[in-house]
Amino acid sequence: GQNIDQPTEMTATEGAIVQINCTYQTSGFNGLFWYQQHAGEAPTFLSYNVLDGLEEKGRFSSFLSRSKGYSYLLLKELQMKDSASYLCAVTDSNYQLIWGAGTKLIIKP
Amino acid sequence: IAGITQAPTSQILAAGRRMTLRCTQDMRHNAMYWYRQDLGLGLRLIHYSNTAGTTGKGEVPDGYSVSRANTDDFPLTLASAVPSQTSVYFCASSKTSGSHEQFFGPGTRLTVL
Repeated sequence: GQNIDQPTEMTATEGAIVQINCTYQTSGFNGLFWYQQHAGEAPTFLSYNVLDGLEEKGRFSSFLSRSKGYSYLLLKELQMKDSASYLCAVTDSNYQLIWGAGTKLIIKP
Repeated sequence: IAGITQAPTSQILAAGRRMTLRCTQDMRHNAMYWYRQDLGLGLRLIHYSNTAGTTGKGEVPDGYSVSRANTDDFPLTLASAVPSQTSVYFCASSKTSGSHEQFFGPGTRLTVL
């Protein structure tokens, strides 16, 4: 079956760095997405990785290792507004997105 | 309008009633999707459409139907609502299916009693 695993909840301190991991087992692979979802709102796109390596976009970076079925989202200089759920999703061989349950990130002052 | 809209924002529905959730996008995206989001389960795909005139079943299609008569609109119908369909429903669209980011509507919170 298809499966995406990410931690349910993480806590970090304002100004610090946090890494949110995602492991996946899917039928085929055509890219991995990270989305941010604030409570009561819709998910919004953060990053897309299709090749191995690190993609950096401001305070956020996303890493992919296809051979390990592994990705992480790195958030630097954490701000209170980064408190949200972070969703990992993989495009499978049918070009459909398979979603993880999300990681709720709590930022403390 | 700009982007993707959904209506209604929220709805309380008696079991057995028919309900249509509306979704409209103005980005001329080819692909559209309906998801439900339940606590602890993440987003689950109900139905999708890769282009106007075509639809497909996702992970949890039972009890739901969709149509895609044109590029902009993708309504989701619950023929006879049941309490297990209580959820938050998100419509999304992307330029094409697969490798393009999906843009989400604000969601519809549906409660079936």
